[in-house]
Amino acid sequence: SQKIEQNSEALNIQEGKTATLTCNYTNYSPAYLQWYRQDPGRGPVFLLLIRENEKEKRKERLKVTFDTTLKQSLFHITASQPADSATYLCALNTDKLIFGTGTRLQVFP
Amino acid sequence: GAGVSQSPSNKVTEKGKDVELRCDPISGHTALYWYRQRLGQGLEFLIYFQGNSAPDKSGLPSDRFSAERTGESVSTLTIQRTQQEDSAVYLCASSLVIGETDTQYFGPGTRLTVL
Repeated sequence: SQKIEQNSEALNIQEGKTATLTCNYTNYSPAYLQWYRQDPGRGPVFLLLIRENEKEKRKERLKVTFDTTLKQSLFHITASQPADSATYLCALNTDKLIFGTGTRLQVFP
Repeated sequence: GAGVSQSPSNKVTEKGKDVELRCDPISGHTALYWYRQRLGQGLEFLIYFQGNSAPDKSGLPSDRFSAERTGESVSTLTIQRTQQEDSAVYLCASSLVIGETDTQYFGPGTRLTVL
């Protein structure tokens, strides 16, 4: 069956460190993958998109990798700040956008 | 310009009542999506519209759920005879087109509580 997996346990890291979140999928062949941020009580906000022929994408302190062989995307936030605390969702494109359940990131001072 | 708006922001209803949730997408966005998000869970796809047509209704949980879109703009999601398990946040999103890079812009959601 098709599945998108994100670590359901919260990731707690210290300010200034790099946060790495994982998105694994099975039985999909997405042409691209997106990452969204969701704050409590709000809708998700688009962060980055990476295509299947791109290995890496960067935007300011954010970096996304996409390994279609491993069927995995990694989302990195460098020099993390308490304001980065949120839930991060990955989403795969098939005939529609399919979202993972998200991983909650908590950055403490 | 304005983002995606949804109304009401909160709705409390009694089991068995019908509810109507509204979504105003970003002007010019041809695609519109409805999702459900239960507490602490991910986004559950319900339905999407391309223009006023709904090519994919596969996510609607039961025949109590229906949605329509008019004028390639506003959409309403209707839940008939609500049940307690319908309690969730209902999120609407829109995108410019459905295509290779359909980045979605989300509204703030409607929190539905069925007593």
